Amino acid sequence: AQTVTQSQPEMSVQEAETVTLSCTYDTSESDYYLFWYKQPPSRQMILVIRQEAYKQQNATENRFSVNFQKAAKSFSLKISDSQLGDAAMYFCAYRRGNTGTASKLTFGTGTRLQVTL
Amino acid sequence: DGGITQSPKYLFRKEGQNVTLSCEQNLNHDAMYWYRQDPGQGLRLIYYSQIVNDFQKGDIAEGYSVSREKKESFPLTVTSAQKNPTAFYLCASSLAGYEQYFGPGTRLTVT
Repeated sequence: AQTVTQSQPEMSVQEAETVTLSCTYDTSESDYYLFWYKQPPSRQMILVIRQEAYKQQNATENRFSVNFQKAAKSFSLKISDSQLGDAAMYFCAYRRGNTGTASKLTFGTGTRLQVTL
Repeated sequence: DGGITQSPKYLFRKEGQNVTLSCEQNLNHDAMYWYRQDPGQGLRLIYYSQIVNDFQKGDIAEGYSVSREKKESFPLTVTSAQKNPTAFYLCASSLAGYEQYFGPGTRLTVT
């Protein structure tokens, strides 16, 4: 079974600084996808970024980027120029590839990010 | 506006009563999902559906039931057999093979 581990329950960053959230996963599959979701106090889950396992290039979305190390099964999220609105719970998630129409997400336990002035 | 709606936002029930949580999407997505979120834990999959009139159990289906009579709707019933029903419930949908998008969630409290 696939597992996702987020070993940092809480992180803090100063506004305008950079922070990296860690995620490791375990799978025997070769085709899969990895995601970072953000859950602000409203509790709405918002997709931040996705990475296809077959792509060597790290995904980037504006201030958000990932460091995908497939051999090490590591998938960290870097937030640059942190803003107060980045304060939230961040969840790492895994999905198998080639599963047809629907496929479940396996989530880590989350990292709470605080952004200070 | 396209999106996923869940109602109500907060729901209170007495122990022993069944309760149904609503999830509607107008994104024309084929697949829909129900997750449960407890404090200190990530989301766990309850049920999912790939097409109308078809659904599969997730990791924690015991004490729950679903139906998928319409593409747009995927209601979740929390039955009295669910031992710890108090939780935050999230509905999601996706196109085939694409990422899931989530609704705003329903907070269920059973006393």
